[in-house]
Amino acid sequence: AQSVTQLGSHVSVSEGALVLLRCNYSSSVPPYLFWYVQYPNQGLQLLLKYTTGATLVKGINGFEAEFKKSETSFHLTKPSAHMSDAAEYFCAVVLGGGFKTIFGAGTRLFVKA
Amino acid sequence: GAGVSQSPRYKVAKRGQDVALRCDPISGHVSLFWYQQALGQGPEFLTYFQNEAQLDKSGLPSDRFFAERPEGSVSTLKIQRTQQEDSAVYLCASSPRGGDERGESTTTDTQYFGPGTRLTVL
Repeated sequence: AQSVTQLGSHVSVSEGALVLLRCNYSSSVPPYLFWYVQYPNQGLQLLLKYTTGATLVKGINGFEAEFKKSETSFHLTKPSAHMSDAAEYFCAVVLGGGFKTIFGAGTRLFVKA
Repeated sequence: GAGVSQSPRYKVAKRGQDVALRCDPISGHVSLFWYQQALGQGPEFLTYFQNEAQLDKSGLPSDRFFAERPEGSVSTLKIQRTQQEDSAVYLCASSPRGGDERGESTTTDTQYFGPGTRLTVL
């Protein structure tokens, strides 16, 4: 069965610092991987996705993630945090041929001034 | 409208009442998904429609949950005889394409989410 683990339910960084949100998945076949962001009182919004091809994926708002098959990871990074990045971030996985998206439990990012 | 809309945004029900939650997807989107998001958790898949066909309902927690999309656009999620454990935010998402033979398009397309309906069962 596929699953998604996000390490750390809360992450706090200072403005301008590196953002690193961790995501590990378990899957018997190569998955499709996604990061979504949920701002307060807004719907989930896609940040980036990996389907095939280049393993380093760039998304909106300066975020990027790297698919590492050997580590079964898809960690999300941003070089310099901004106050507006404060939100909840969800990693998700889908197996090709299916309709289910499996979400992690989420990581809430706090950005300190 | 430009995005996915859901109504009502908030619903309070007494235990045992029936509720109906509405989702208006982006016009022309083939795929429609329903998710349940409990407090402090990620969304959990409930069901999937391709046009009017419900192709996957494996995530529906019980037979009290029923979803339909009769004309391939608006969808309704109905919960009968609500219980306290049904309290959650119910999210709807749509995406442009349906699945190809392997379901690839469905799984790789971006899903556009609505703001959700927060259901509280007292």
